[in-house]
Amino acid sequence: GENVEQHPSTLSVQEGDSAVIKCTYSDSASNYFPWYKQELGKRPQLIIDIRSNVGEKKDQRIAVTLNKTAKHFSLHITETQPEDSAVYFCAASQSYNTDKLIFGTGTRLQVFP
Amino acid sequence: SQTIHQWPATLVQPVGSPLSLECTVEGTSNPNLYWYRQAAGRGLQLLFYSVGIGQISSEVPQNLSASRPQDRQFILSSKKLLLSDSGFYLCAGGTYGYTFGSGTRLTVV
Repeated sequence: GENVEQHPSTLSVQEGDSAVIKCTYSDSASNYFPWYKQELGKRPQLIIDIRSNVGEKKDQRIAVTLNKTAKHFSLHITETQPEDSAVYFCAASQSYNTDKLIFGTGTRLQVFP
Repeated sequence: SQTIHQWPATLVQPVGSPLSLECTVEGTSNPNLYWYRQAAGRGLQLLFYSVGIGQISSEVPQNLSASRPQDRQFILSSKKLLLSDSGFYLCAGGTYGYTFGSGTRLTVV
């Protein structure tokens, strides 16, 4: 089955700096890769996703890149703000709406003012 | 839009007691549904998923079971809780991508 690895487990940055979180996956059939943000005690919230027919997607300060050949994808947050502090999870599945999501182990991002 | 309702929000149960957590879906039909567990400071572990009424797939052997008695209802159960069952339980799913419920924080004492 699918296995998703995520690095780093913790990341501390200064406000205004960029943050990068990387994930690798094992199942070459996976073609949907979402990223979730989870604040303390809350449910995960989808922040951005990418499908295998594109290599990059941007939404304001957040971007995701995908390298299907190498089976890795990354989350990039620019101009970080204290409210970006949370745990971020990557995930992979074979289908946007018909297959289970397998999650990475999470990255705790702390943005210091 | 699809919404996942989950309750209760918190639960404290003694070791050996039974468990029943309920998840219902609103705003869509024939959803795929999933139960995840998140131990403190850890990732999201997929426990069960269901593609339809009465259809349950288990991802990991454990002390828990799941049932899907109705299209929009997904239940997580245990006959006898263990200390290791403590965690944050999340129901997720839908027809249009993934939506998460608000979670149940279970503490087994």
